[in-house]
Amino acid sequence: DTAVSQTPKYLVTQMGNDKSIKCEQNLGHDTMYWYKQDSKKFLKIMFSYNNKELIINETVPNRFSPKSPDKAHLNLHINSLELGDSAVYFCASSQTNSNQPQHFGDGTRLSIL
Amino acid sequence: QKEVEQNSGPLSVPEGAIASLNCTYSDRGSQSFFWYRQYSGKSPELIMSIYSNGDKEDGRFTAQLNKASQYVSLLIRDSQPSDSATYLCAVKNYGQNFVFGPGTRLSVLP
Repeated sequence: DTAVSQTPKYLVTQMGNDKSIKCEQNLGHDTMYWYKQDSKKFLKIMFSYNNKELIINETVPNRFSPKSPDKAHLNLHINSLELGDSAVYFCASSQTNSNQPQHFGDGTRLSIL
Repeated sequence: QKEVEQNSGPLSVPEGAIASLNCTYSDRGSQSFFWYRQYSGKSPELIMSIYSNGDKEDGRFTAQLNKASQYVSLLIRDSQPSDSATYLCAVKNYGQNFVFGPGTRLSVLP
């Protein structure tokens, strides 16, 4: 199936731990994104990568570090997790220089105990 | 001024009525406009794209774009309880970045 897939779907962990979320797209898109959606449901852009190069880095704590090994993958590593990091994290992809929309993964629900 | 604005709702309409969702944007150079539907606990799902001024119809959904007024809307005819969700307006701006509005929560009452 052509899609944006992210793992894991659920992540429950203790404060202070380090965790990673993986994302892969097989749509042939050249740009990938990470969004955070908190309890108020606002979808906030965190990072955007185009052909493995960082192009958007919004005001996000440097505990969050994205890594793009190739244009089909964009992983998110989070160090020293805090209670406020609890949210749903969505990966998305799109093709630049086109009028096509973004496609979203199913989301990763991160809960910090 | 926020880049993309929507009424947060909730917007409540009776079953069978027309639901009207509105969105304004600030970047006059924006070229592509999208409506996503997001059910609780799910990811945003694209339901309409519109690129030119005027109306675009797809089944019960009609998107309307007015670039001069920097306004895009979504009409849902014959609203069903299954349409109850949050609707996100997204704009691809001149810099090729996607900007999302805060979403409007729609509740269709049986």
